[in-house]
Amino acid sequence: NAGVTQTPKFRILKIGQSMTLQCTQDMNHNYMYWYRQDPGMGLKLIYYSVGAGITDKGEVPNGYNVSRSTTEDFPLRLELAAPSQTSVYFCASEGSNQPQHFGDGTRLSIL
Amino acid sequence: AQSVSQHNHHVILSEAASLELGCNYSYGGTVNLFWYVQYPGQHLQLLLKYFSGDPLVKGIKGFEAEFIKSKFSFNLRKPSVQWSDTAEYFCAVTGRETGGFKTIFGAGTRLFVKA
Repeated sequence: NAGVTQTPKFRILKIGQSMTLQCTQDMNHNYMYWYRQDPGMGLKLIYYSVGAGITDKGEVPNGYNVSRSTTEDFPLRLELAAPSQTSVYFCASEGSNQPQHFGDGTRLSIL
Repeated sequence: AQSVSQHNHHVILSEAASLELGCNYSYGGTVNLFWYVQYPGQHLQLLLKYFSGDPLVKGIKGFEAEFIKSKFSFNLRKPSVQWSDTAEYFCAVTGRETGGFKTIFGAGTRLFVKA
């Protein structure tokens, strides 16, 4: 049981490049989340999903897109990277009446 | 609007001091409550949770939290902190929304314990 797996762990992008942050979980959780954590700040919800085929915007969705074609995978897409998107990104999954399980994070720098 | 408020952004304590971190929430209906800890450079880990039953919840590493429904609070406590408790602590609330659950996190409290 690997839990929540995020890849890559680190990435440097140039302004305007695009990339996908991968997140997969093997706990058959319906709920999945993407957060960003900026230095000295708490978690901010980007997007979340309550099940395969269903996604919804969180607090800071602009500049990001998600998809949830399977229960296991919840990739986060940055289309045109901007310096303001430099952050640490955490993916989490949650089962009914369970706490969230977090991945190890992806540290993204945009230069 | 739903929200989670953590009163202290930074707390500095000496070893063996007692700790209490405040958490208040605004959320209609039934909620589940959590405290997570994030050690430097690591991801969030669950410290303790409250779903129902005894409002005094005991977690790992000597932490406990008390759910006071009338005050919409879920404060985290530890009688005697250690240097290794230096970390950031997040309170979170999960409530049922139409179509599923939604979790809201507080902004976090950075705890620094002086050796």
